[in-house]
Amino acid sequence: GAGVSQTPSNKVTEKGKYVELRCDPISGHTALYWYRQSLGQGPEFLIYFQGTGAADDSGLPNDRFFAVRPEGSVSTLKIQRTERGDSAVYLCASSPGGDQPQHFGDGTRLSIL
Amino acid sequence: EDQVTQSPEALRLQEGESSSLNCSYTVSGLRGLFWYRQDPGKGPEFLFTLYSAGEEKEKERLKATLTKKESFLHITAPKPEDSATYLCAVQATDTGFQKLVFGTGTRLLVSP
Repeated sequence: GAGVSQTPSNKVTEKGKYVELRCDPISGHTALYWYRQSLGQGPEFLIYFQGTGAADDSGLPNDRFFAVRPEGSVSTLKIQRTERGDSAVYLCASSPGGDQPQHFGDGTRLSIL
Repeated sequence: EDQVTQSPEALRLQEGESSSLNCSYTVSGLRGLFWYRQDPGKGPEFLFTLYSAGEEKEKERLKATLTKKESFLHITAPKPEDSATYLCAVQATDTGFQKLVFGTGTRLLVSP
């Protein structure tokens, strides 16, 4: 079956611009996660959704970052007033929930010039 | 604070040369320990979940083991296609038990 799909695969934008990153989870997976991965590092947790609600957003670095999942499926990560330090690969994962393994998409590589 | 440390940072093996990767963790309560493989430009690919000390899981040339303080990923007679970064992550019982805390990974290169 189809895995986690993320679009776009690459995004280049200028400092100060607004960006939206999209995640289509595996069908039927109720849990959805966003992580950020910098070069040479492991993924770092940003936010977790169970259904439509953000159950844990403790990893969002500041109020420029926001994520939604209005219908409990597709999720969008939104970054306002982008900064060069936001450059990274943004990974999305989904799972059936609980302690079931999280399955990752291939990420969006975000570059802020 | 939950913490995961992986060693070595990088490992180069000849084809057929077996070795082990280490993942040390500090967590107040372990819900699960996960191993992932990541190829360049790709997302992490799930390999194993371990839940309690003494547990072992195997898949082809890989075997993962777990103690109360660390996990090992044993690679037997590796092939060049096993070259990748191997990531270890923990899921803790006290931090909403959903998020994964990752180590920085071990970059494995297997030469023919």
